[in-house]
Amino acid sequence: EPEVTQTPSHQVTQMGQEVILRCVPISNHLYFYWYRQILGQKVEFLVSFYNNEISEKSEIFDDQFSVERPDGSNFTLKIRSTKLEDSAMYFCASSGPGQGIVETQYFGPGTRLLVL
Amino acid sequence: AQSVTQLGSHVSVSEGALVLLRCNYSSSVPPYLFWYVQYPNQGLQLLLKYTTGATLVKGINGFEAEFKKSETSFHLTKPSAHMSDAAEYFCAVSLNNAGNMLTFGGGTRLMVKP
Repeated sequence: EPEVTQTPSHQVTQMGQEVILRCVPISNHLYFYWYRQILGQKVEFLVSFYNNEISEKSEIFDDQFSVERPDGSNFTLKIRSTKLEDSAMYFCASSGPGQGIVETQYFGPGTRLLVL
Repeated sequence: AQSVTQLGSHVSVSEGALVLLRCNYSSSVPPYLFWYVQYPNQGLQLLLKYTTGATLVKGINGFEAEFKKSETSFHLTKPSAHMSDAAEYFCAVSLNNAGNMLTFGGGTRLMVKP
């Protein structure tokens, strides 16, 4: 069964450093998403991406964040200058056509980011 | 705007007992409702979803949920708990069908005692 994959599974970085989190969505999907979950808190929406542009973003998704689909398979989340409060589990998800009226979002296993 | 509340961050049941995980939502428009499960070190897996039509929705692993508009609820149930059901369960709401954000509840960790 197709699945969403994410790399790395864990990332440790120093405050102020740039990080790039990578995701490979399910191949025929058209919508891509990033969510995050700070330890002990809710899963929060960050951004959705469709047709090579951001379709929706939350207040969390400020100028420090960017997303890109650099080729036909990868979907990346970049944090330009990490802060301590960016430490969280980051989930990538994708959804696409052909699944019925309401698209199911399929989630990857997550990248745990720790900012020191 | 929409929001989701899950009553009980931890629920403990005995193996074979009824599982009931509570979810209430608020939404300005008819919502789409989801239950996801997260096993340790894994991503979120869809258990079931409500879109339109029949209000009792059956999902994987014997779970089901009933959409009650008058109570703004979407509680998850399973008649008989298995040890393998131990996981974290998330209720979520979406306002649209494609490309729309999911708003999650805080999650409920289900523990199953032998």
